[in-house]
Amino acid sequence: DAGVIQSPRHEVTEMGQEVTLRCKPISGHNSLFWYRQTMMRGLELLIYFNNNVPIDDSGMPEDRFSAKMPNASFSTLKIQPSEPRDSAVYFCASSYSGGGFSYNEQFFGPGTRLTVL
Amino acid sequence: AQSVAQPEDQVNVAEGNPLTVKCTYSVSGNPYLFWYVQYPNRGLQFLLKYITGDNLVKGSYGFEAEFNKSQTSFHLKKPSALVSDSALYFCAVRDRRTNSGGYQKVTFGTGTKLQVIP
Repeated sequence: DAGVIQSPRHEVTEMGQEVTLRCKPISGHNSLFWYRQTMMRGLELLIYFNNNVPIDDSGMPEDRFSAKMPNASFSTLKIQPSEPRDSAVYFCASSYSGGGFSYNEQFFGPGTRLTVL
Repeated sequence: AQSVAQPEDQVNVAEGNPLTVKCTYSVSGNPYLFWYVQYPNRGLQFLLKYITGDNLVKGSYGFEAEFNKSQTSFHLKKPSALVSDSALYFCAVRDRRTNSGGYQKVTFGTGTKLQVIP
């Protein structure tokens, strides 16, 4: 298996522009997580999907952020409009939960390094 | 509410010496506990987890961790450190009990940078 796939790996954009980050989870996994990592705030959970349904979006910073999971093999995280304080590394992770296996570890993608100028 | 604390921002250890990276947790019920490692410019990578049973858990790359319920700790250990172990280590906790929706998120610590000195 190729693991969790994220694109792009690097994104540089200007303030005010729309940014879309993409994630393909591991086949068979039914839980998907979006995280943001910065030096100041560490690793923050933004949103969690289970079976393509958003379960917990309490970590989404504000209305500029939105996430979708149209099917089991694809998710997007969109920032519109972007701001310099959104600069961070964004990770997507997936796991399998269900049937009593709700303690399974998460598999992380390589991340997208976003720089907003 | 659940939380996890990694009291050391950085741990330095000489190559060949034993290493310990500390983690304490707080949950309402009983915990599931995890350790992850992050190498530069990479995503987090699972090392080991405690679910139930033996308090000493063995994981990847020779790492192990000991669950201590009375001290609410889950310290990561390795008998002999390698330079290649230098990385950022994250402890994570999840309460076994779920909310009414059958969900309980995983809470990650702030990370400890391990530096193994040749």
